[in-house]
Amino acid sequence: DTEVTQTPKHLVMGMTNKKSLKCEQHMGHRAMYWYKQKAKKPPELMFVYSYEKLSINESVPSRFSPECPNSSLLNLHLHALQPEDSALYLCASSQDGLSNNEQFFGPGTRLTVL
Amino acid sequence: QKEVEQNSGPLSVPEGAIASLNCTYSDRGSQSFFWYRQYSGKSPELIMFIYSNGDKEDGRFTAQLNKASQYVSLLIRDSQPSDSATYLCAVSGVGSSGSARQLTFGSGTQLTVLP
Repeated sequence: DTEVTQTPKHLVMGMTNKKSLKCEQHMGHRAMYWYKQKAKKPPELMFVYSYEKLSINESVPSRFSPECPNSSLLNLHLHALQPEDSALYLCASSQDGLSNNEQFFGPGTRLTVL
Repeated sequence: QKEVEQNSGPLSVPEGAIASLNCTYSDRGSQSFFWYRQYSGKSPELIMFIYSNGDKEDGRFTAQLNKASQYVSLLIRDSQPSDSATYLCAVSGVGSSGSARQLTFGSGTQLTVLP
């Protein structure tokens, strides 16, 4: 199984809402990533978890809060977002975060903040 | 600042032709190089990776790497309209925190294959 799944596919939320994005992989990968992608731009790295520990936080605002409950699951908790946070949020996984492994992306969650 | 540069295009080729996509990178310590295909509204899909100098072929795709010139390319032979997408070059290196490896993406090249 070489699949990364993400839920929900689409999410519309107000600036005062709290919501969560979920990501799951069953490839035995030990590194998982959150990216943000705006239209016609490449993915921007937000967070990296390696062996269930947060190893990279690319200066992401605190209104985004990642969580890695176990090696297969990755969540992104959202609170008090701004309209400019509207984007495609991508989860990816790789064998581990320490070697040059290829990353596999999930289908993404299209987020709209009103 | 690690940089990955791609021609943004758009690049148009006729059906059946060879499409050539190019990418340069600034970090000489980079060790792994990836090509992702992204259809409009979809997520990136890994189509090729290369670690060593030279050519690597997979079906209609050939990745070429020249570390001395810090250059990586993707050739698509017998291009099909279904190859029309944005192609992202990505380079793997150690993150700014010195811990986990991370990908640095180029801005992508939009390819259109004309029937």
